[in-house]
Amino acid sequence: DGGITQSPKYLFRKEGQNVTLSCEQNLNHDAMYWYRQDPGQGLRLIYYSQIVNDFQKGDIAEGYSVSREKKESFPLTVTSAQKNPTAFYLCASSLSGSRYNEQFFGPGTRLTVL
Amino acid sequence: KQEVTQIPAALSVPEGENLVLNCSFTDSAIYNLQWFRQDPGKGLTSLLLIQSSQREQTSGRLNASLDKSSGRSTLYIAASQPGDSATYLCAVRRSGGGADGLTFGKGTHLIIQP
Repeated sequence: DGGITQSPKYLFRKEGQNVTLSCEQNLNHDAMYWYRQDPGQGLRLIYYSQIVNDFQKGDIAEGYSVSREKKESFPLTVTSAQKNPTAFYLCASSLSGSRYNEQFFGPGTRLTVL
Repeated sequence: KQEVTQIPAALSVPEGENLVLNCSFTDSAIYNLQWFRQDPGKGLTSLLLIQSSQREQTSGRLNASLDKSSGRSTLYIAASQPGDSATYLCAVRRSGGGADGLTFGKGTHLIIQP
């Protein structure tokens, strides 16, 4: 089955630690995105990548980093510089970087800072 | 800056009723609008995508309309069922030279009473 997988489902981090969230897709999509969801708020864009080896900052990129070495993978690292990292993180992909394309989402990773 | 508002924030109706969820956006320069469904603790499921040149899209009991000039969209759910209970999110795809990605509303939490 084609789709987007995110791992782990739940992640706990101590303050001061960096953690990496995994996002993999087998849809052969060029573009991938990371969003953050907080209770009572809309999703907000962290980073996006329209093609391998290229990525751009979204609206709330501070304290996060990404890489795009393979078409199917777009990992997100939450660094110790992120002041309030506890949130639900969602990865998405679309066929290409064209803004006409539909976005599809993974199941999410819930990150809790202890 | 694009802002998306969804009204009402919560809605509870008896099974079998037809209902309308509302979405408004402040900047009419969009590529498209997507409606999503989110179950508690889960990722987003794409329901309908309406391109900026289209007026409506239908899928089963769902019908979404778009009036780009007035900055409004509605999601019509016919013959509601308890399984329709979820949070419904509206999102617009930004145009212009800024960051790619979707701008989301905060959602409508829908409960269908058996």
